[in-house]
Amino acid sequence: QVTVRESGPTVVKPTQTLTLTCTFSGFSLTGGGMSVSWVRQPPGKALEWLAVIYWNGEEHYSTSLKTRLTISKGTSENQVVLRMTNMDPVDTATYYCARIRTNDVLTGYNYYFMDVWGNGTSVTVSS
Amino acid sequence: EIVLTQSPLSSPVTLGQATSISCKSSRNLVHSDGWTYLSWLHQRPGQPPRILIYKVYNRFAGVPDRFSGSGSGTDFTLKISRVEPEDLGIYYCMQATPFPGTWTFGQGTRVDLK
Repeated sequence: QVTVRESGPTVVKPTQTLTLTCTFSGFSLTGGGMSVSWVRQPPGKALEWLAVIYWNGEEHYSTSLKTRLTISKGTSENQVVLRMTNMDPVDTATYYCARIRTNDVLTGYNYYFMDVWGNGTSVTVSS
Repeated sequence: EIVLTQSPLSSPVTLGQATSISCKSSRNLVHSDGWTYLSWLHQRPGQPPRILIYKVYNRFAGVPDRFSGSGSGTDFTLKISRVEPEDLGIYYCMQATPFPGTWTFGQGTRVDLK
């Protein structure tokens, strides 16, 4: 069974750095086929893509936020970490981690869609 | 940067009725490999999104066949042939450009009861 779970602080102060951890099971980030992305959703607003780390270690970021974001593999093989610097109240949102089905390693068929989502973690930026 | 524009933003429906949602891209979404990575997701209140359709018209496992996706290039459509109570919520289109690695969501379309 594939699961994805986000964890991190519920409240951060303005200018602080937010660190979120995505812990997953049932798949691997090595060997191809799967990748992990972060998405956020401010209260009552639309989804916003933040960053992706592909199976090969490549990182890609939202153009508007890339100077503030870092996505990386965690210390455990089943973790991905997102860091966002200089937090502001407008960054208050639910942050989701999602698995990306990237490709079929055996057939080479590409997919590139988010098929498993965590329940999200709510982050409030307030002094 | 690719912008996805959905319409309508709100779609009041009667259960059993059909409805369609449009997603228009600011750029042609055909990737260099010839495929189009346009997907549709559904989000119920208080829940994470879930995938419905990937690569324009492929239904994800377990998705009822009343959902269908179509389109090409810059214009895409999600159709629900007969809206059921569990279909209410917000629908998002999403595009992926695998390399150089950009992903974009539309602004969402709310489907609720008339």
